[in-house]
Amino acid sequence: EIVLTQSPGTLSLSPGERATLSCRASQSVSSSYLAWYQQKPGQAPRLLIYGASSRATGIPDRFSGSGSGTDFTLTISRLEPEDFAVYYCQQYGSSLRFGQGTKLEIK
Amino acid sequence: QVQLQESGPGLVKPSGTLSLTCAVSGGSISSSNWWSWVRQPPGKGLEWIGEIYHSGSTNYNPSLKSRVTISVDKSKNQFSLKLSSVTAADTAVYYCARDMDDSSGFRAFDIWGQGTMVTVSS
Repeated sequence: EIVLTQSPGTLSLSPGERATLSCRASQSVSSSYLAWYQQKPGQAPRLLIYGASSRATGIPDRFSGSGSGTDFTLTISRLEPEDFAVYYCQQYGSSLRFGQGTKLEIK
Repeated sequence: QVQLQESGPGLVKPSGTLSLTCAVSGGSISSSNWWSWVRQPPGKGLEWIGEIYHSGSTNYNPSLKSRVTISVDKSKNQFSLKLSSVTAADTAVYYCARDMDDSSGFRAFDIWGQGTMVTVSS
């Protein structure tokens, strides 16, 4: 079973800065089955990126995804106040798994 | 647009069965999508429970498979979750979610319900 490890666990940055979040898989993952979500307190997750690099409908272009194989990255080019949240990666291989999440907090 | 709404008891006794329903509105459950249940214990991360297609085909998380049943009711445009032999560890917010169109070649949850909190306690 594929395990996803996200790093860092917590990322402290200021608005306007660039955020780089990592998702590493224990085995190679199909890029078509790699997604990223944003979750704010008390809300359901929101799809940001699917297929490792495609933005979901309505997602600002400051969000971008990249990577292949076992290493994937979510980048937020310039942080806005509303971007501070928890981010999860997700893959569907033999089963569906989420990473443990990265909390992006205001520095 | 498609919306999902979870419903069911908010409190379940230990060793009992948790039962939830997800109503689909603004679209058909017989569309080319898989439909899933995902849960999140308080203060923790997301855990996929399982999925169903309108044909009745299912896939389950191996760690929960022995206790989970997901079913579909096309006449009511909804799908349901049953989780048996529950313990306090099953206390969580339960979400239903729609996967992207099956023909897209991608797997990602593009629509989520608002979630419903279920507490397991006597």
